[in-house]
Amino acid sequence: AQTVTQSQPEMSVQEAETVTLSCTYDTSESDYYLFWYKQPPSRQMILVIRQEAYKQQNATENRFSVNFQKAAKSFSLKISDSQLGDAAMYFCAYTVGFGNAGNMLTFGGGTRLMVKP
Amino acid sequence: DAGVTQSPTHLIKTRGQQVTLRCSPKSGHDTVSWYQQALGQGPQFIFQYYEEEERQRGNFPDRFSGHQFPNYSSELNVNALLLGDSALYLCASKGPNTGELFFGEGSRLTVL
Repeated sequence: AQTVTQSQPEMSVQEAETVTLSCTYDTSESDYYLFWYKQPPSRQMILVIRQEAYKQQNATENRFSVNFQKAAKSFSLKISDSQLGDAAMYFCAYTVGFGNAGNMLTFGGGTRLMVKP
Repeated sequence: DAGVTQSPTHLIKTRGQQVTLRCSPKSGHDTVSWYQQALGQGPQFIFQYYEEEERQRGNFPDRFSGHQFPNYSSELNVNALLLGDSALYLCASKGPNTGELFFGEGSRLTVL
């Protein structure tokens, strides 16, 4: 069974600084997808960034980027120029595919990010 | 364009009761998934519906059942509620030929 592990229950960063959230996963599949979701106090899960395992290039979305190490099964999220609005729970997630027969997401336990002004 | 909407937002039940949670997917989406998120934990997959059929199921007992209607909306039913069923229940939808899941704000269930 696939598992996703986030080893940092809480992280803190100063506004405008950079922070990296860690995620490791276990799978026997060669093709899969990895995600970082943000969950603010409003509870709605918001997709931050997505990485396809077959792509060697690390995904980037504005201030958010990932360091995808397929051999090490590691998928960290880097947030640059942290803003107060970045404070939230961050979840790493994995799925094998997007077929209509099933695209179950497996989530990690989450990392609470606090941003200090 | 309304996103994924869920109702009710909060509800309180007692042990042994039954509950029904509702979800309307984002416009144009045809696949609905349900997740259970216990306090302080990541969401866990319950099941997914497509074309009014359950397509994939996580490790949840038969007390958890669902339905998808012709308009793609969905219900999650939980029978014989236990204290451990207290959680945030998240609905997510996706459209054809796309991989991104859109989540609702969830229904917070408290079982006393």
